[in-house]
Amino acid sequence: AQSVSQHNHHVILSEAASLELGCNYSYGGTVNLFWYVQYPGQHLQLLLKYFSGDPLVKGIKGFEAEFIKSKFSFNLRKPSVQWSDTAEYFCAAKSTNAGKSTFGDGTTLTVKP
Amino acid sequence: GAGVSQSPRYKVAKRGQDVALRCDPISGHVSLFWYQQALGQGPEFLTYFQNEAQLDKSGLPSDRFFAERPEGSVSTLKIQRTQQEDSAVYLCASSLAIQGQKNTEAFFGQGTRLTVV
Repeated sequence: AQSVSQHNHHVILSEAASLELGCNYSYGGTVNLFWYVQYPGQHLQLLLKYFSGDPLVKGIKGFEAEFIKSKFSFNLRKPSVQWSDTAEYFCAAKSTNAGKSTFGDGTTLTVKP
Repeated sequence: GAGVSQSPRYKVAKRGQDVALRCDPISGHVSLFWYQQALGQGPEFLTYFQNEAQLDKSGLPSDRFFAERPEGSVSTLKIQRTQQEDSAVYLCASSLAIQGQKNTEAFFGQGTRLTVV
């Protein structure tokens, strides 16, 4: 069965700390991968996406993610977090020939000022 | 509007009541998705439309759930005889691309929070 798992439910960091959120997927065939962010009271927004090509993907607001096919992973990173990065982060995957995405359960990031 | 619009934002229903949730996708977007997000969990797929055709309804949890998109634009998710376990945020997303195309980034609405009491 297709699934996405996020290792951490809640991460607390101080400003300027480095961030890495884990995401592993279980999918047959070629997969598209996404990271979404949901700020308090707002809708899901796309941070970055991987379709093909360079496995290191850069997104908005200084975020990046690396697709490691051998590990079925797509971890999200940011070298130095800010208080405004406090939000919930969702990893998602979809087959290239399917419409629907499968989401992880999310990681709540709290950045202390 | 510029984004996906959902209404109402909040809905409180008494158990057994029928509800209808509306989604206005981004103009011109062919694909439309409904997801259900329970508290503390990620969104779970309910159903997918390509224009007016419902191509995948594998995620609908029971026959009390029904979705339509009769003119290939606005979509309505209807839940009959609501139960407490239906309490969740219902998210709508739309995409310019069709199923199978590579660039299938989806844009999400703010959701409708349904509380069944």
